[in-house]
Amino acid sequence: DTAVSQTPKYLVTQMGNDKSIKCEQNLGHDTMYWYKQDSKKFLKIMFSYNNKELIINETVPNRFSPKSPDKAHLNLHINSLELGDSAVYFCASSPTSPVSYEQYFGPGTRLTVT
Amino acid sequence: GDSVTQMEGPVTLSEEAFLTINCTYTATGYPSLFWYVQYPGEGLQLLLKATKADDKGSNKGFEATYRKETTSFHLEKGSVQVSDSAVYFCALSYSGGYNKLIFGAGTRLAVHP
Repeated sequence: DTAVSQTPKYLVTQMGNDKSIKCEQNLGHDTMYWYKQDSKKFLKIMFSYNNKELIINETVPNRFSPKSPDKAHLNLHINSLELGDSAVYFCASSPTSPVSYEQYFGPGTRLTVT
Repeated sequence: GDSVTQMEGPVTLSEEAFLTINCTYTATGYPSLFWYVQYPGEGLQLLLKATKADDKGSNKGFEATYRKETTSFHLEKGSVQVSDSAVYFCALSYSGGYNKLIFGAGTRLAVHP
């Protein structure tokens, strides 16, 4: 069974469009994350949710809006896509009780904006 | 702020060679340290971790020791295989901070037969 899944795996779209990426985890974790990996493989956190509450927002443009309908899901909606948004987006999850330091990553969504 | 610095790649080795990938960190507190691995076309997997000074993390023949005095967490393997070819990321996080991971830039390892 897939622990952290993301859809779609690939997303090709044009500048100015709006798109969403979905993430689901079946690990029972209560914290979920979005990371962005740029073309040079550099990874940086974007958002984190704990029990559906936003707890980390790392100066990401307002065009990016995460939504957590429940503890198992964290979706990422992007408005007015720009060329610079092209990247691989990774979802991850971790438990916070008991304290765990390990995050489990999804397979990634490669977004290409043309 | 906190940061992680890794040696630049790519690192190219022959099979059965000894591997070292250097990682140093800057931290305001006492973080936990991690190595994650990303195989081609896949997501990240935790390779090993250490939660306090002098701890040694190990997995699949890889080892790294948390050195507080040198703020380092170098990854080593005695004999690499072609299947170890991947990108390796050093990272840190704090407990109680919802585990935000701060990554190094990643080091690509290519192992040739």
